[in-house]
Amino acid sequence: NAGVMQNPRHLVRRRGQEARLRCSPMKGHSHVYWYRQLPEEGLKFMVYLQKENIIDESGMPKERFSAEFPKEGPSILRIQQVVRGDSAAYFCASSGTGGVQNTEAFFGQGTRLTVV
Amino acid sequence: AQSVTQLGSHVSVSEGALVLLRCNYSSSVPPYLFWYVQYPNQGLQLLLKYTTGATLVKGINGFEAEFKKSETSFHLTKPSAHMSDAAEYFCAVRSSASKIIFGSGTRLSIRP
Repeated sequence: NAGVMQNPRHLVRRRGQEARLRCSPMKGHSHVYWYRQLPEEGLKFMVYLQKENIIDESGMPKERFSAEFPKEGPSILRIQQVVRGDSAAYFCASSGTGGVQNTEAFFGQGTRLTVV
Repeated sequence: AQSVTQLGSHVSVSEGALVLLRCNYSSSVPPYLFWYVQYPNQGLQLLLKYTTGATLVKGINGFEAEFKKSETSFHLTKPSAHMSDAAEYFCAVRSSASKIIFGSGTRLSIRP
């Protein structure tokens, strides 16, 4: 049973370009979370999605950032017109549906975005 | 609203000494509580979790944590530190069907 898969692991973009980060949850998981980690800082919640629905996007910047989790395929975090301040590690996590046995989230290895 | 406070951004102990990483939470409903570990340039790995039942929870690598509702705490301990325990540790909280909120992390260093 493969874990949470994120790709690419490393992504370099020039200022003004678009960044697309992909996340395939664990098999059977329908909840996906995205977090951002800046150097020497903790994880900041960005968005929580279920299949075809955004449940909580309270941590997502209002502009340039969007996320989706379609019925088929991976979850995508999209950053338009990237700026240097977007450089960070972006982590995806997934969890199962309901019950105390599905409370924890399993994390991918992250995508390290560098904006030059 | 939920929140997590980790006291001490950096903790240093000698090899073989007790490890104690502090975590206090705030939650308006009974929480689910977690400790995760992050090694350099890697994702987060679950160490242990508290959902219901026994308040002393044992995890991987010899770590354990105790849920104390009266103190709103979930401190992480290990009786004897090993060099391989050096990493970043994150405490986290969630309520049912909600996002998981993380603390700011504690970097654990082990002195030979």
